[in-house]
Amino acid sequence: AQSVTQLGSHVSVSEGALVLLRCNYSSSVPPYLFWYVQYPNQGLQLLLKYTTGATLVKGINGFEAEFKKSETSFHLTKPSAHMSDAAEYFCAVRGILTGGGNKLTFGTGTQLKVEL
Amino acid sequence: KAGVTQTPRYLIKTRGQQVTLSCSPISGHRSVSWYQQTPGQGLQFLFEYFSETQRNKGNFPGRFSGRQFSNSRSEMNVSTLELGDSALYLCASSFSSGTNTEAFFGQGTRLTVV
Repeated sequence: AQSVTQLGSHVSVSEGALVLLRCNYSSSVPPYLFWYVQYPNQGLQLLLKYTTGATLVKGINGFEAEFKKSETSFHLTKPSAHMSDAAEYFCAVRGILTGGGNKLTFGTGTQLKVEL
Repeated sequence: KAGVTQTPRYLIKTRGQQVTLSCSPISGHRSVSWYQQTPGQGLQFLFEYFSETQRNKGNFPGRFSGRQFSNSRSEMNVSTLELGDSALYLCASSFSSGTNTEAFFGQGTRLTVV
């Protein structure tokens, strides 16, 4: 079955510093990969997605992620953290091996804290 | 363009009762998926409905059920509530049912079982 692993349940960065949130996927076939953000008491908002084509994907709010097949990774980065980036981030995979359709399989999430 | 609307936002129920949650997808979207989010288990897929048919189902007991109406609105029902059913229930709306389709989430319904 396809799954994703997020390394680090909590990440803390200083405002203006690089944000790096890690996600590794397990799949024998190319998956579709997503990053979502969740603010307290809110639903999930799509940051970016990889389906096919360019492996460097740019998303909203200055975030981007690179699909690396050789490393089975899809890490999320942002060059300069802002206080408003503090939230929980979820990596997710969708594909035939997850059951098809629109079923998303999520990682366990990474809580990002941004400090002054 | 209106987003995904889930009602109610908060709900408190007693063990043994049943509950119905509602989700109105984005206009024109025909797929609705439901997820349960808890601190212990994270985000787990419940089921997906597309054009009034259940397309996919997660690993939940039969107490969890759902349906979709002809206007694509969806409801999920949980019968004989248990304390462990306390969770944030999220609904996701998609235009179609396919691996390349983007899912838009509602704000969720926070269910507390006491």
